[in-house]
Amino acid sequence: QAVLTQPSSLSASPGASASLTCTLRSGINVGTYNIYWYQQKPRSPPQYLLRYKSDSDKQQGSGVPSRFSGSKDDSANAGILLISGLQSEDEADYYCLIWHSGAWVFGTGTKVTVL
Amino acid sequence: EVQLLESGGGLVQPGGSLRLSCAASGFTFSTYAMNWVRQAPGKGLEWVSGISGSGHSTHYADSVKGRFTISRDNSKNTLDLHMKSLRDEDTAVYYCAKRAPDDAFDIWGQGTLVTVSS
Repeated sequence: QAVLTQPSSLSASPGASASLTCTLRSGINVGTYNIYWYQQKPRSPPQYLLRYKSDSDKQQGSGVPSRFSGSKDDSANAGILLISGLQSEDEADYYCLIWHSGAWVFGTGTKVTVL
Repeated sequence: EVQLLESGGGLVQPGGSLRLSCAASGFTFSTYAMNWVRQAPGKGLEWVSGISGSGHSTHYADSVKGRFTISRDNSKNTLDLHMKSLRDEDTAVYYCAKRAPDDAFDIWGQGTLVTVSS
């Protein structure tokens, strides 16, 4: 089982909200981790979006619109990236990242399609 | 402007060696930890290795431990990745990434493609 699991794909309409999950493997408690989120468009390097640990400990990436926000679902043991007011330019792959057991671990990635 | 520029990628035979470099500009290089991240064709991101700002502390993914060596030259603002005993599965675009004080990989280079094939 992967350390971080993300849905492979998600589709939503322009203007809608999209909630991307990053589920931590059983036994790894989401509450103790900083979760970093990245956006990657085709043929481009990843771009840093934000860091989220708690509502009092979070950081937006430089120049990243406020419609990108982070949260956690403790009951699901998951980090969440919420994209509000989806735009066509948000169509991309999204990855989560944590530092776990002496290594950086990326999630499996979610491809977001804006229909 | 903060910039990272990778070089050194190319075609190499299985079992061969290659050295990647990353030239940094626009920030005080020695202050920041740096990392290498790779992406196989059509696949997701995989962290490869990291090094502290001083160069004294290094970390490696299990998949490359013992085969890859990360190093830096703070006098030249360069980050290197020495790769040996290369395997087909090492084929990927290799990105260097700067690590911010809160550990975010906040700046990425454009990447360099390494192809391991006979």
